[in-house]
Amino acid sequence: AQSVTQPDARVTVSEGASLQLRCKYSYSGTPYLFWYVQYPRQGLQLLLKYYSGDPVVQGVNGFEAEFIKSNSSFHLRKASVHWSDSAVYFCAVMGYNQGKLIFGQGTKLSIKP
Amino acid sequence: DPKIIQKPKYLVAVTGSEKILICEQYLGHNAMYWYRQSAKKPLEFMFSYSYQKLMDNQTASSRFQPQSSKKNHLDLQITALKPDDSATYFCASSQPTSAETLYFGSGTRLTVL
Repeated sequence: AQSVTQPDARVTVSEGASLQLRCKYSYSGTPYLFWYVQYPRQGLQLLLKYYSGDPVVQGVNGFEAEFIKSNSSFHLRKASVHWSDSAVYFCAVMGYNQGKLIFGQGTKLSIKP
Repeated sequence: DPKIIQKPKYLVAVTGSEKILICEQYLGHNAMYWYRQSAKKPLEFMFSYSYQKLMDNQTASSRFQPQSSKKNHLDLQITALKPDDSATYFCASSQPTSAETLYFGSGTRLTVL
């Protein structure tokens, strides 16, 4: 079955600290991998996506993610978080050109001053 | 200016009634989608349309009916509403040839009493 697991429902980090949000997926075939962010009362915004090539992909606002095929993981990282990064982050997968995203449960990120 | 407009932002309905959720996109896309986000489940795909034709339906209930009157519109009619239908419904769009890049609206939050 195709699924995405984000094991951490909530993560709290201090402003300026580094961040890693975990994501593991199960998918038969080669999926697209995504990270989306949802700010309060807003829709989802794409942070980054990966299909092939360099396993470390850069996204917007200093975010990056690393694809580790052997581990079926696609963790999101940021070197130094800002209070404005407080949001819910979703990892997702999609088959090639299907338009059907399969989401994880999301990780709510809180930033301590 | 938002490129995907969902109306209304908030909607309260009584059990058994019928509501229509509106979605219009001004991105020039030919593929549109509906997703649902409820308290109990992760964001889940409901429907995809391409050139106003249904491509994929992952919604078990026929109470949910998309309606595409124009190529940049994909409304969602929900009949015989139940409390379990309470969720935020997101519309999204993409180009059919680039279905891995979805743009999301800000959602309609539906509460069924």
